[in-house]
Amino acid sequence: SQTIHQWPATLVQPVGSPLSLECTVEGTSNPNLYWYRQAAGRGLQLLFYSVGIGQISSEVPQNLSASRPQDRQFILSSKKLLLSDSGFYLCAWRSRVSGANVLTFGAGSRLTVL
Amino acid sequence: AQSVSQHNHHVILSEAASLELGCNYSYGGTVNLFWYVQYPGQHLQLLLKYFSGDPLVKGIKGFEAEFIKSKFSFNLRKPSVQWSDTAEYFCAVNAGGNFNKFYFGSGTKLNVKP
Repeated sequence: SQTIHQWPATLVQPVGSPLSLECTVEGTSNPNLYWYRQAAGRGLQLLFYSVGIGQISSEVPQNLSASRPQDRQFILSSKKLLLSDSGFYLCAWRSRVSGANVLTFGAGSRLTVL
Repeated sequence: AQSVSQHNHHVILSEAASLELGCNYSYGGTVNLFWYVQYPGQHLQLLLKYFSGDPLVKGIKGFEAEFIKSKFSFNLRKPSVQWSDTAEYFCAVNAGGNFNKFYFGSGTKLNVKP
């Protein structure tokens, strides 16, 4: 069966420090992968998605970047964190359920920037 | 870009009351529509989906949603809520033009009082 892992689960970082959040998927190959940010009252904001190794589409200009070095690995990064980067980051992959494309989410990574 | 609007940000109901959560989207072409639920402390999970056929779709735990194309709406309903339905509910759309992208609404927090 397919599973999705995110780490770390929680992270507290000072302003100006770098960031690396990792997401890996097991049990599937060549998945579409996604990074979302969930902020209170603002729902889920699509940050990046990737249809394959090295292919990254950015939705929102920001202080973050994404990379896909391997088929089932998706990394969210920042060189210098801002206070506004605090939030709950969710990784997801696109799977097929009853013939339809749906998103399956990981447990999330909560980032607090101080 | 497509947008998804959820007008009810916070809903409080007593057990056995009926529920209807509104969702409107902006895209006029072919759409796939979803409701996701996030129970306290748990992953986001798929509640139900519409991608073709009968516009009234049934999901888990007695939830249903009706796709009304003329109104660009996909409202979620449940005839009788339970305390265990307390959660945050997100509407999402995946639209023609780019079925790689999934856009979410801002979410509705439902509190069911026992």
